[in-house]
Amino acid sequence: GAVVSQHPSWVICKSGTSVKIECRSLDFQATTMFWYRQFPKQSLMLMATSNEGSKATYEQGVEKDKFLINHASLTLSTLTVTSAHPEDSSFYICSPQTRLPNSPLHFGNGTRLTVT
Amino acid sequence: AQTVTQSQPEMSVQEAETVTLSCTYDTSENNYYLFWYKQPPSRQMILVIRQEAYKQQNATENRFSVNFQKAAKSFSLKISDSQLGDTAMYFCAFTYNNAGNMLTFGGGTRLMVKP
Repeated sequence: GAVVSQHPSWVICKSGTSVKIECRSLDFQATTMFWYRQFPKQSLMLMATSNEGSKATYEQGVEKDKFLINHASLTLSTLTVTSAHPEDSSFYICSPQTRLPNSPLHFGNGTRLTVT
Repeated sequence: AQTVTQSQPEMSVQEAETVTLSCTYDTSENNYYLFWYKQPPSRQMILVIRQEAYKQQNATENRFSVNFQKAAKSFSLKISDSQLGDTAMYFCAFTYNNAGNMLTFGGGTRLMVKP
C-alpha cells in the first residue's frame, strides 16, 4: 500500500487566497521532507528542505514568506501557498525521507494547484 | 553543484522494440547514486532502476537496464521489448548520499510507445 499520503490531489483556488497541502508518511518517520514543484512539461525542481522541528531551507528564488513549510512531526509536513497567484499554478510533490542508509526514496502522488 | 542533462526531450519507439534514453551528469563526488524514474500521466513518480556509483556492474530490472559509464559520467536507460504501458516521462536523477538527500533531476524525456 501507499507509504506517503499527499492531500489534496488537486485544488482550484482564487487569486489572493491561501492553500495548504499536507504530506503524511504512513509507516515510517520522515526526518527530512523535500518539496518539489513541477511546471507543465518541465522537470521537478526542489523548492525547499525541512528537517523535523527545524526551519525549512529554501532554494534560491523560492520565497519563504510565500511558501510556508511546517514540519512539526515525523509523520506530517505541510506546505502553504499564501496569497496565491496564477503563476503559482503548478504540480507540487512532497518527498519524505528517513536518514537510514539505503532506505527507499518516497514521493507523494502530488497536488495540482490551479489559481484562477 | 550537481547537474543532470537529458538531451532527448522526446522519443518514440515501436511496441516490442528497444529504445535507449540518454543521461549525462556532472559532479565532483566519487560516490553517488543514480536513478531513472518513470512519470506516467497520473504524475506518480515510479522508480525504474537505481545504480550505485561504486558498483561497476550495470543495474538491471527485468526489461530495463542501464549503461553506466562513470568516467564519461553517462547513465543511459535501455528499455527492451517496449510495451504500451511504458509510455511516460522518464527522469534521470542523482543524489550523492543514499540517506535522506534530495534528488537532482534531469529535464526529462517523453517516451511514446507506438502500437
